[in-house]
Amino acid sequence: EIVLTQSPDTLSLSPGERATLSCRASQSVSSSYLAWYQQKPGQAPRLLIYGASSRTTGIPDRFSGSGSGTDFTLTISRLEPEDFAVYYCQQYDGSPITFGQGTRLEIK
Amino acid sequence: VQLVESGGGLVKPGGSLRLSCAASGFTFSDHYMSWIRQAPGKGLEWVSYISSSGTTIYYADSLKGRFTISRDNAKNSVYLQMNSLRAEDTAVYYCVRGGGPMFDPWGRGTLVTVSS
Repeated sequence: EIVLTQSPDTLSLSPGERATLSCRASQSVSSSYLAWYQQKPGQAPRLLIYGASSRTTGIPDRFSGSGSGTDFTLTISRLEPEDFAVYYCQQYDGSPITFGQGTRLEIK
Repeated sequence: VQLVESGGGLVKPGGSLRLSCAASGFTFSDHYMSWIRQAPGKGLEWVSYISSSGTTIYYADSLKGRFTISRDNAKNSVYLQMNSLRAEDTAVYYCVRGGGPMFDPWGRGTLVTVSS
């Protein structure tokens, strides 16, 4: 099983700041099979990024994904109030499909 | 595109439930479908997926033998039959379009509570 470890567990930032969220895999993951999701309280997750760096339809360009191999990053260039949420990475390269434990992005 | 789950509720340990998911707004028969769950206050756990034709099915290892996924393309629906339920199966169960490279969109979820 590929274990995804996200860091930090909690990130405290202010609106307007840049957020950098990390996702590290226990073994190499094809970039094609790494996705990022955002979940707000009481809501279902929604897809932000697939293929490590492709934004899905409707996601603002302040969200960007990068990385390869075992290290992937989600960057939010300038935080808006609505961006404070929990973020999960997910891989499909190995069975079973696994998610990271999540990073909570909170307002400082 | 919309996914609407139903069938959740309170069940005793050892009991069974059948979750349903009604899809609309896209060509259902073209897509893999999955179930993903989230225990209260916890992260996301993939449960199962089924191919567009229903011929390919995978389950999380921890669930094998207890859960069965199926679909009816004529009814634009996917199902999850859950047997021998345990307290640790308590979670919100999401119906999701996709089989792995990406999951999009997600339904609003249905809560399953296993408790005596």
